[in-house]
Amino acid sequence: RKEVEQDPGPFNVPEGATVAFNCTYSNSASQSFFWYRQDCRKEPKLLMSVYSSGNEDGRFTAQLNRASQYISLLIRDSKLSDSATYLCVVNNRDSGAGSYQLTFGKGTKLSVIP
Amino acid sequence: DTAVSQTPKYLVTQMGNDKSIKCEQNLGHDTMYWYKQDSKKFLKIMFSYNNKELIINETVPNRFSPKSPDKAHLNLHINSLELGDSAVYFCASSQGGPSEYNEQFFGPGTRLTVL
Repeated sequence: RKEVEQDPGPFNVPEGATVAFNCTYSNSASQSFFWYRQDCRKEPKLLMSVYSSGNEDGRFTAQLNRASQYISLLIRDSKLSDSATYLCVVNNRDSGAGSYQLTFGKGTKLSVIP
Repeated sequence: DTAVSQTPKYLVTQMGNDKSIKCEQNLGHDTMYWYKQDSKKFLKIMFSYNNKELIINETVPNRFSPKSPDKAHLNLHINSLELGDSAVYFCASSQGGPSEYNEQFFGPGTRLTVL
């Protein structure tokens, strides 16, 4: 089983639509969780962290279910500028090295259509 | 000013050559990283450096060697390039040490093509 799994998409949605992405992770001891955004031929950028209680940032809502090892991202009122690949990222602690390591999912591609 | 910069942006070379990719960050961060994103868009960590000390070394071939002359720079040297090394290589940096997580800032990437 892959460490972080996402539906690769593409998700093609009209402007104004609500779209949700899901992600599952295999390491039950994972420490923290994030959504990164990567535009075509660009670098990944942090979109938002994901907290157990769920958190919202404008049109974006992230949720975490530790029991099911499941993370979600909801985008409301989609804009053309939301078109990108959304990467689910899990932060695991390497007990041997005592350091943190990010594990990235392959990403879900979103295209918002006029 | 760009926070994390990489040079070159594009690199096309022949199999068997040796090449280097440079990375610099002006954020005053303590930790720097190298990631590889292959043709399937899978982003995987290769190395990280904190205070000139290698703290993560994934199972990458020893043809790859990170070199950090100072805290603001982490260069990647690749010997005997192979076709499978073709990918986009991203440098990143974060504040703080290895025992805590802080947001990572990525450079624009270096697209390496091995012919």
